[in-house]
Amino acid sequence: EDQVTQSPEALRLQEGESSSLNCSYTVSGLRGLFWYRQDPGKGPEFLFTLYSAGEEKEKERLKATLTKKESFLHITAPKPEDSATYLCAVQASGGSYIPTFGRGTSLIVHP
Amino acid sequence: DSGVTQTPKHLITATGQRVTLRCSPRSGDLSVYWYQQSLDQGLQFLIQYYNGEERAKGNILERFSAQQFPDLHSELNLSSLELGDSALYFCASSLTGEANTGELFFGEGSRLTVL
Repeated sequence: EDQVTQSPEALRLQEGESSSLNCSYTVSGLRGLFWYRQDPGKGPEFLFTLYSAGEEKEKERLKATLTKKESFLHITAPKPEDSATYLCAVQASGGSYIPTFGRGTSLIVHP
Repeated sequence: DSGVTQTPKHLITATGQRVTLRCSPRSGDLSVYWYQQSLDQGLQFLIQYYNGEERAKGNILERFSAQQFPDLHSELNLSSLELGDSALYFCASSLTGEANTGELFFGEGSRLTVL
């Protein structure tokens, strides 16, 4: 069974204080690993897809990286508008290709 | 705006009742996914439809059922409701059945409260 564990559950940062969110996964053959952002009362919004170890993707202050066992979402010099829950999901090769989501990391950035 | 429309946004009902949640996918998308999100379980996959046919099934209770219509909109039916069914129900869509790029487009969800 595919498993996704995200840590920490919650993270409070000061504006400008860089940090990283972790996503550890267990999957029988990784087809893709995805990061989503979810604002309160909204549906998740797609950020990145990573396909293989060593791959990196960037978008504004966010950079996602991937190893064979985990992914990191690095947040550089965060702003209050980066406050959200960040969800990680994995898609296994073979089978139904349905993404399995982690429980997310709730990020609050204080001004 | 993801282009996925879900109705109703909020729903309050009593135990034992039946409700129907509706989803219109993004224009051109053939696949619809239903997820349940609760505080203690996170996002749990329920069921997927692709071009009118059931494609994959997750942890969907027997009291729940879904279908996708010829115009590609989908409905999730929840019956014999229990307190524990209170949650956010999300619909997502993708162009293909395999979500090749991993990008699912989520609606804003239907918040169900069972009293």
